[in-house]
Amino acid sequence: EDKVVQSPLSLVVHEGDTVTLNCSYEVTNFRSLLWYKQEKKAPTFLFMLTSSGIEKKSGRLSSILDKKELFSILNITATQTGDSAVYLCAVGNAGTSYGKLTFGQGTILTVHP
Amino acid sequence: NAGVTQTPKFQVLKTGQSMTLQCAQDMNHNSMYWYRQDPGMGLRLIYYSASEGTTDKGEVPNGYNVSRLNKREFSLRLESAAPSQTSVYFCASSEQLHTQYFGPGTRLTVL
Repeated sequence: EDKVVQSPLSLVVHEGDTVTLNCSYEVTNFRSLLWYKQEKKAPTFLFMLTSSGIEKKSGRLSSILDKKELFSILNITATQTGDSAVYLCAVGNAGTSYGKLTFGQGTILTVHP
Repeated sequence: NAGVTQTPKFQVLKTGQSMTLQCAQDMNHNSMYWYRQDPGMGLRLIYYSASEGTTDKGEVPNGYNVSRLNKREFSLRLESAAPSQTSVYFCASSEQLHTQYFGPGTRLTVL
């Protein structure tokens, strides 16, 4: 059974801090790892990673994958109150006929002014 | 483009009542999904449709049925609602590379 574990489960920081969110996984046939940001409503897509060691970057957010150690990190630098959200990690399984994703529990990030 | 839309946004049911949650996507995606999200549990897959005309069970299908009406629309039905089905329900769609795009969700309360 595929499994995704995120840590920490929650995190409280002040504006300007840098945070690192962790995602470890077990999957029978790895295809991809995805990060989503969820505010009040729908999860919105941030990154998809398929190769080890290649950093994906978007503004203050960046992510990297380690397929040997089976984990990924999501970094957010110079945090802002608008970064407050639940961050979800999911892994895709290549051994299915559809886009199967297994999600972690999420990390709740709270950024105080 | 609206992306993925869901109706209704909120619903309150009594135990034993039935209802259908509607989902539509305008991205011409082949695959569609229904998830439920409960506190501390992440997103759990209820049913999916890999392509028009096919549906399959996910991780937590009991108490639900689905219909893939056409390529755009995928509905979720609760035949006899139970309090354990109180949750937030998300519909999603994707092409084959696993980037799933989510609708705004339906918050369902079963009394």
